[in-house]
Amino acid sequence: ILNVEQSPQSLHVQEGDSTNFTCSFPSSNFYALHWYRWETAKSPEALFVMTLNGDEKKKGRISATLNTKEGYSYLYIKGSQPEDSATYLCASDDYKLSFGAGTTVTVRA
Amino acid sequence: EAQVTQNPRYLITVTGKKLTVTCSQNMNHEYMSWYRQDPGLGLRQIYYSMNVEVTDKGDVPEGYKVSRKEKRNFPLILESPSPNQTSLYFCASTPGSGSETQYFGPGTRLLVL
Repeated sequence: ILNVEQSPQSLHVQEGDSTNFTCSFPSSNFYALHWYRWETAKSPEALFVMTLNGDEKKKGRISATLNTKEGYSYLYIKGSQPEDSATYLCASDDYKLSFGAGTTVTVRA
Repeated sequence: EAQVTQNPRYLITVTGKKLTVTCSQNMNHEYMSWYRQDPGLGLRQIYYSMNVEVTDKGDVPEGYKVSRKEKRNFPLILESPSPNQTSLYFCASTPGSGSETQYFGPGTRLLVL
């Protein structure tokens, strides 16, 4: 089982502010890094799949970067809105997914 | 609509009473898996199936069984549930391998008394 760590465990952000959080993973045998967004009472939904060192993906106000050499990925939310409130899960992929515990983001209006 | 469905969505049962949680996908996906989600822990894989009649243990298989007799269905069976199996369960499918983007079902919240 891979040791995938996400920090912080939770955070609160004021509407309109930007924020970011981290996913750390073992860099050996790396294949891909997945980000999922999980809203309360719903299913996790895929945000990004990233494979290359230096990769940067963007979807609206949410973006992510990847550093495979040092084993971390950042997820950024620009101009947070209440609808961004969710738990964000990352999963490291060495041909099998291992999930982190998630970062729960609460956006206050 | 492409989707993964699970039933039931909520279940309260007692220790030792056998139960089955069904999972079905309509996307003709090869790979299906079951996860459990517990507070403070990531999604942990219970069992997975790469195709019909092909199943294998994930990271936390103890106390669970699965079957894959048809491509679209992948039921999770708890022969003798125990309180430590109280959890939120997700079924997921992917087109090919476990490394692709997972499509998750809505989740089944199970309480074992």
